[in-house]
Amino acid sequence: SQTIHQWPATLVQPVGSPLSLECTVEGTSNPNLYWYRQAAGRGLQLLFYSVGIGQISSEVPQNLSASRPQDRQFILSSKKLLLSDSGFYLCAWEGTGANEKLFFGSGTQLSVL
Amino acid sequence: GEDVEQSLFLSVREGDSSVINCTYTDSSSTYLYWYKQEPGAGLQLLTYIFSNMDMKQDQRLTVLLNKKDKHLSLRIADTQTGDSAIYFCAESVNAGNMLTFGGGTRLMVKP
Repeated sequence: SQTIHQWPATLVQPVGSPLSLECTVEGTSNPNLYWYRQAAGRGLQLLFYSVGIGQISSEVPQNLSASRPQDRQFILSSKKLLLSDSGFYLCAWEGTGANEKLFFGSGTQLSVL
Repeated sequence: GEDVEQSLFLSVREGDSSVINCTYTDSSSTYLYWYKQEPGAGLQLLTYIFSNMDMKQDQRLTVLLNKKDKHLSLRIADTQTGDSAIYFCAESVNAGNMLTFGGGTRLMVKP
């Protein structure tokens, strides 16, 4: 069966420090992968999505970047965190069939101080 | 821990109303959301409701919240084939805080 792992669950980082959040999927191949952020009062905001290794689409210009070095690994990064990067980050995967649905990781609560 | 439950599947005829139900366990839930996922697409926020409201209407969508029973529903009036999708219920304690999702309800609309 497929599983998705996201870590860490919580993270407290100082302003200006780097960030690396990792998401891995097991039990499937060539999934579509997504990074979302919970935007206050607006629900989830799509940050990045990837349809394959090295293929990243950015939905929102920001201080963050994403990479997909392996088929089932999706990394969210920043070189220098801002206070406004604080929030709840969620990774999700989706199969490539016509009727596949999204499955979510458990999320990372990031606090930038 | 928190838990959000939804039925897996709902089938309706075009033109009928659809009602998708959701139950949650966290009594401190403040925001409750409905998201739509269409095939091959990410999540689209449909609507959300604060826990101090019991109803919210937006065009064909009506959200009902029974806080006592921790029950949330999404009613789609005059359901169209374009409404066929997976609908996720989610809750959070604060607006920028951790979201907990239900497993999603697949809505199939038959012509």
